[in-house]
Amino acid sequence: EPEVTQTPSHQVTQMGQEVILRCVPISNHLYFYWYRQILGQKVEFLVSFYNNEISEKSEIFDDQFSVERPDGSNFTLKIRSTKLEDSAMYFCASRGQGTDTQYFGPGTRLTVL
Amino acid sequence: GNSVTQMEGPVTLSEEAFLTINCTYTATGYPSLFWYVQYPGEGLQLLLKATKADDKGSNKGFEATYRKETTSFHLEKGSVQVSDSAVYFCALFRGSNYKLTFGKGTLLTVNP
Repeated sequence: EPEVTQTPSHQVTQMGQEVILRCVPISNHLYFYWYRQILGQKVEFLVSFYNNEISEKSEIFDDQFSVERPDGSNFTLKIRSTKLEDSAMYFCASRGQGTDTQYFGPGTRLTVL
Repeated sequence: GNSVTQMEGPVTLSEEAFLTINCTYTATGYPSLFWYVQYPGEGLQLLLKATKADDKGSNKGFEATYRKETTSFHLEKGSVQVSDSAVYFCALFRGSNYKLTFGKGTLLTVNP
Protein backbone atom coordinates (compact mmCIF):
# COMPACT_ATOMS: atom_id res chain seq x y z
CA GLU A 1 0.00 0.00 0.00
CA PRO A 2 1.44 3.40 -0.92
CA GLU A 3 2.51 5.55 2.00
CA VAL A 4 3.93 8.94 2.82
CA THR A 5 7.50 8.85 4.09
CA GLN A 6 9.43 11.47 6.01
CA THR A 7 13.10 11.95 6.79
CA PRO A 8 14.76 12.24 9.17
CA SER A 9 12.72 10.70 11.93
CA HIS A 10 14.49 12.88 14.48
CA GLN A 11 16.47 16.07 13.93
CA VAL A 12 18.42 17.90 16.61
CA THR A 13 19.69 21.39 15.82
CA GLN A 14 21.05 24.47 17.48
CA MET A 15 18.95 27.61 17.75
CA GLY A 16 19.49 29.86 14.72
CA GLN A 17 20.40 27.01 12.39
CA GLU A 18 18.51 26.13 9.23
CA VAL A 19 16.74 22.80 8.94
CA ILE A 20 15.08 21.06 6.04
CA LEU A 21 12.48 18.41 6.69
CA ARG A 22 11.79 16.08 3.83
CA CYS A 23 8.68 14.25 2.74
CA VAL A 24 7.87 11.92 -0.12
CA PRO A 25 4.11 12.07 -0.73
CA ILE A 26 2.10 9.32 -2.39
CA SER A 27 3.10 9.36 -6.03
CA ASN A 28 -0.13 10.37 -7.77
CA HIS A 29 -1.25 12.86 -5.13
CA LEU A 30 -1.47 16.55 -6.00
CA TYR A 31 -2.19 18.27 -2.67
CA PHE A 32 0.40 18.49 0.05
CA TYR A 33 0.29 19.68 3.65
CA TRP A 34 2.50 20.29 6.65
CA TYR A 35 1.23 20.14 10.20
CA ARG A 36 3.03 20.27 13.51
CA GLN A 37 2.38 19.15 17.05
CA ILE A 38 4.16 20.75 19.96
CA LEU A 39 4.44 18.26 22.79
CA GLY A 40 1.17 18.03 24.70
CA GLN A 41 -0.67 20.34 22.33
CA LYS A 42 -2.93 20.00 19.31
CA VAL A 43 -1.85 19.07 15.82
CA GLU A 44 -1.83 22.42 13.98
CA PHE A 45 -2.05 23.18 10.28
CA LEU A 46 0.95 25.02 8.86
CA VAL A 47 0.60 25.16 5.09
CA SER A 48 -1.01 23.58 2.06
CA PHE A 49 0.55 23.37 -1.40
CA TYR A 50 -0.90 22.67 -4.83
CA ASN A 51 0.34 23.19 -8.35
CA ASN A 52 3.69 24.47 -7.11
CA GLU A 53 2.12 27.20 -5.02
CA ILE A 54 1.09 27.72 -1.45
CA SER A 55 -2.70 27.56 -1.39
CA GLU A 56 -3.14 28.44 2.27
CA LYS A 57 -0.93 29.09 5.28
CA SER A 58 -1.54 29.63 8.95
CA GLU A 59 -0.31 32.50 11.09
CA ILE A 60 2.41 30.18 12.39
CA PHE A 61 3.90 29.95 8.89
CA ASP A 62 5.86 33.20 8.94
CA ASP A 63 8.83 34.33 6.85
CA GLN A 64 11.11 31.83 8.59
CA PHE A 65 9.24 28.96 6.94
CA SER A 66 9.20 27.94 3.31
CA VAL A 67 8.06 24.93 1.32
CA GLU A 68 9.25 23.56 -1.95
CA ARG A 69 8.67 20.70 -4.30
CA PRO A 70 12.17 20.54 -5.80
CA ASP A 71 11.48 17.54 -8.03
CA GLY A 72 8.63 15.22 -8.88
CA SER A 73 8.75 13.29 -5.66
CA ASN A 74 9.97 15.35 -2.70
CA PHE A 75 8.15 18.00 -0.69
CA THR A 76 10.25 19.94 1.80
CA LEU A 77 9.72 22.27 4.72
CA LYS A 78 12.56 24.66 5.49
CA ILE A 79 12.96 26.64 8.68
CA ARG A 80 15.60 29.31 8.08
CA SER A 81 16.59 30.23 11.60
CA THR A 82 15.20 27.84 14.17
CA LYS A 83 13.87 28.98 17.54
CA LEU A 84 13.39 26.97 20.70
CA GLU A 85 9.63 27.13 20.18
CA ASP A 86 9.97 25.37 16.81
CA SER A 87 10.63 22.13 18.69
CA ALA A 88 7.74 19.88 17.71
CA MET A 89 6.69 16.85 15.69
CA TYR A 90 6.21 17.83 12.05
CA PHE A 91 3.81 15.80 9.92
CA CYS A 92 3.57 15.80 6.15
CA ALA A 93 0.35 14.73 4.42
CA SER A 94 -0.85 14.31 0.88
CA ARG A 95 -4.22 14.03 -0.80
CA GLY A 96 -5.36 12.79 -4.20
CA GLN A 97 -7.51 14.65 -6.68
CA GLY A 98 -11.22 14.31 -5.97
CA THR A 99 -10.80 12.79 -2.51
CA ASP A 100 -11.17 14.25 0.97
CA THR A 101 -8.73 11.98 2.80
CA GLN A 102 -5.24 13.09 3.75
CA TYR A 103 -2.56 10.45 4.21
CA PHE A 104 0.05 11.25 6.80
CA GLY A 105 3.68 10.37 7.20
CA PRO A 106 5.21 9.14 10.47
CA GLY A 107 6.51 12.58 11.37
CA THR A 108 9.87 14.19 12.06
CA ARG A 109 10.63 15.13 15.64
CA LEU A 110 12.56 18.42 15.62
CA THR A 111 14.45 19.37 18.75
CA VAL A 112 15.96 22.86 18.90
CA LEU A 113 18.59 23.37 21.60
CA GLY B 1 -12.98 29.75 13.65
CA ASN B 2 -13.23 25.98 13.64
CA SER B 3 -12.26 24.01 16.71
CA VAL B 4 -12.36 20.45 18.06
CA THR B 5 -12.52 19.46 21.70
CA GLN B 6 -11.92 15.87 22.67
CA MET B 7 -11.73 14.00 25.89
CA GLU B 8 -8.28 14.21 27.34
CA GLY B 9 -6.58 11.06 28.40
CA PRO B 10 -4.96 8.98 29.18
CA VAL B 11 -7.67 6.33 29.06
CA THR B 12 -6.78 2.90 30.44
CA LEU B 13 -9.08 -0.06 29.87
CA SER B 14 -8.99 -3.79 30.23
CA GLU B 15 -9.30 -5.97 27.16
CA GLU B 16 -12.92 -6.44 26.01
CA ALA B 17 -14.09 -3.28 27.78
CA PHE B 18 -16.35 -0.74 26.08
CA LEU B 19 -14.67 2.40 24.78
CA THR B 20 -16.03 5.89 24.32
CA ILE B 21 -13.88 8.88 23.44
CA ASN B 22 -15.87 12.09 23.32
CA CYS B 23 -15.41 14.68 20.59
CA THR B 24 -17.33 17.91 20.06
CA TYR B 25 -16.72 20.56 17.46
CA THR B 26 -17.39 24.18 16.59
CA ALA B 27 -17.72 25.09 12.94
CA THR B 28 -20.01 26.95 10.60
CA GLY B 29 -22.14 24.91 8.28
CA TYR B 30 -21.53 21.21 7.83
CA PRO B 31 -17.91 20.16 8.28
CA SER B 32 -16.61 16.71 7.44
CA LEU B 33 -15.55 14.80 10.55
CA PHE B 34 -12.73 12.31 11.01
CA TRP B 35 -11.07 10.08 13.53
CA TYR B 36 -7.37 9.44 13.00
CA VAL B 37 -5.29 6.92 14.97
CA GLN B 38 -1.57 6.98 15.64
CA TYR B 39 0.07 3.73 16.68
CA PRO B 40 3.46 3.95 18.41
CA GLY B 41 6.18 5.04 16.00
CA GLU B 42 3.78 5.48 13.07
CA GLY B 43 1.99 8.31 11.30
CA LEU B 44 -1.61 9.39 11.60
CA GLN B 45 -3.93 6.88 9.90
CA LEU B 46 -7.50 7.57 8.97
CA LEU B 47 -9.74 5.38 11.11
CA LEU B 48 -13.17 6.54 9.96
CA LYS B 49 -15.04 9.55 8.69
CA ALA B 50 -18.49 11.04 8.16
CA THR B 51 -19.38 13.82 5.80
CA LYS B 52 -22.95 14.74 6.68
CA ALA B 53 -25.35 14.78 9.59
CA ASP B 54 -26.51 11.37 10.89
CA ASP B 55 -23.83 9.55 8.87
CA LYS B 56 -22.13 6.75 10.78
CA GLY B 57 -18.48 6.05 10.06
CA SER B 58 -17.16 2.62 10.95
CA ASN B 59 -13.94 0.64 10.65
CA LYS B 60 -12.21 -2.16 12.57
CA GLY B 61 -15.09 -2.34 15.07
CA PHE B 62 -14.96 1.40 15.80
CA GLU B 63 -17.98 3.60 15.11
CA ALA B 64 -18.84 7.28 15.29
CA THR B 65 -22.06 9.07 14.37
CA TYR B 66 -22.17 12.65 13.10
CA ARG B 67 -24.62 14.44 15.41
CA LYS B 68 -25.39 17.92 14.15
CA GLU B 69 -27.78 18.73 17.00
CA THR B 70 -25.11 18.14 19.64
CA THR B 71 -22.11 18.99 17.39
CA SER B 72 -20.50 15.71 18.39
CA PHE B 73 -18.68 12.78 16.82
CA HIS B 74 -17.95 10.40 19.68
CA LEU B 75 -15.81 7.34 18.99
CA GLU B 76 -17.03 3.98 20.33
CA LYS B 77 -15.95 0.38 20.28
CA GLY B 78 -17.77 -2.43 21.97
CA SER B 79 -14.80 -4.58 22.91
CA VAL B 80 -11.27 -3.18 22.81
CA GLN B 81 -8.13 -5.22 22.24
CA VAL B 82 -4.56 -4.70 23.35
CA SER B 83 -3.72 -3.86 19.73
CA ASP B 84 -6.05 -0.82 19.91
CA SER B 85 -3.59 0.95 22.22
CA ALA B 86 -2.76 4.17 20.40
CA VAL B 87 -3.46 7.90 20.31
CA TYR B 88 -6.81 8.85 18.78
CA PHE B 89 -7.40 12.25 17.15
CA CYS B 90 -10.73 13.78 16.25
CA ALA B 91 -10.56 16.25 13.34
CA LEU B 92 -12.69 18.25 10.95
CA PHE B 93 -12.40 20.18 7.75
CA ARG B 94 -14.61 22.81 6.33
CA GLY B 95 -13.90 24.68 3.15
CA SER B 96 -12.29 24.09 -0.18
CA ASN B 97 -8.71 23.68 0.97
CA TYR B 98 -9.38 20.60 3.11
CA LYS B 99 -7.06 21.72 5.89
CA LEU B 100 -7.74 19.70 9.01
CA THR B 101 -8.45 21.07 12.46
CA PHE B 102 -7.50 18.56 15.15
CA GLY B 103 -8.32 17.90 18.77
CA LYS B 104 -5.48 17.32 21.23
CA GLY B 105 -5.56 13.55 20.97
CA THR B 106 -6.48 10.87 23.50
CA LEU B 107 -4.01 8.20 24.54
CA LEU B 108 -5.69 4.81 24.95
CA THR B 109 -3.95 1.97 26.72
CA VAL B 110 -5.58 -1.44 26.75
CA ASN B 111 -4.25 -3.96 29.27
CA PRO B 112 -4.59 -7.72 28.83
